[in-house]
Amino acid sequence: DAGVTQSPTHLIKTRGQQVTLRCSPKSGHDTVSWYQQALGQGPQFIFQYYEEEERQRGNFPDRFSGHQFPNYSSELNVNALLLGDSALYLCASSSLRDSYTDTQYFGPGTRLTVL
Amino acid sequence: AQSVTQPDIHITVSEGASLELRCNYSYGATPYLFWYVQSPGQGLQLLLKYFSGDTLVQGIKGFEAEFKRSQSSFNLRKPSVHWSDAAEYFCAVGPLSNDYKLSFGAGTTVTVRA
Repeated sequence: DAGVTQSPTHLIKTRGQQVTLRCSPKSGHDTVSWYQQALGQGPQFIFQYYEEEERQRGNFPDRFSGHQFPNYSSELNVNALLLGDSALYLCASSSLRDSYTDTQYFGPGTRLTVL
Repeated sequence: AQSVTQPDIHITVSEGASLELRCNYSYGATPYLFWYVQSPGQGLQLLLKYFSGDTLVQGIKGFEAEFKRSQSSFNLRKPSVHWSDAAEYFCAVGPLSNDYKLSFGAGTTVTVRA
């Protein structure tokens, strides 16, 4: 049973560029959440997608956007990159069918460095 | 709003000794509580979770946690630490019925000395 997968593993961009990160959820899961983890901090919630729509958004600017596809996979897009966007981006999947438990399982993350 | 506090930034423990990591939460309802572990450069692995029922929860890798409502705490314990337990540990709370996010503490780094 494949877990949550993310690509790429690492990414280096320069200020002002745009980036797209990808996530495939765990088999059987239909909900994808994205988190940003800056160095030395806990993960911070960016947004969650369910049924191809953004269901909830955290305190992040509109430069951060996302998408969920019919196969439940998801993309995180960040425009006009800033140095402060350098972080580990984590994708988590869960299943609304198991909404009472709703445990989120995390992928290995994408390390984004903005120069 | 829910929040989580992990009072200890860094703990050093000898191999074979016991380990306890503290977690305090602020939450407006019966919480769902989680402990995750993160090895260097890796994602988060779920150790254990509490939803309801027995307040002592068993997890993977020999970890357990105890929910104490009166103290708003959910401390993680392991009786005998192995060198492979060196990692960063995160306590998290959530989700609520209309608030789907997890809120994490800042983490506790565990160093294991031989």
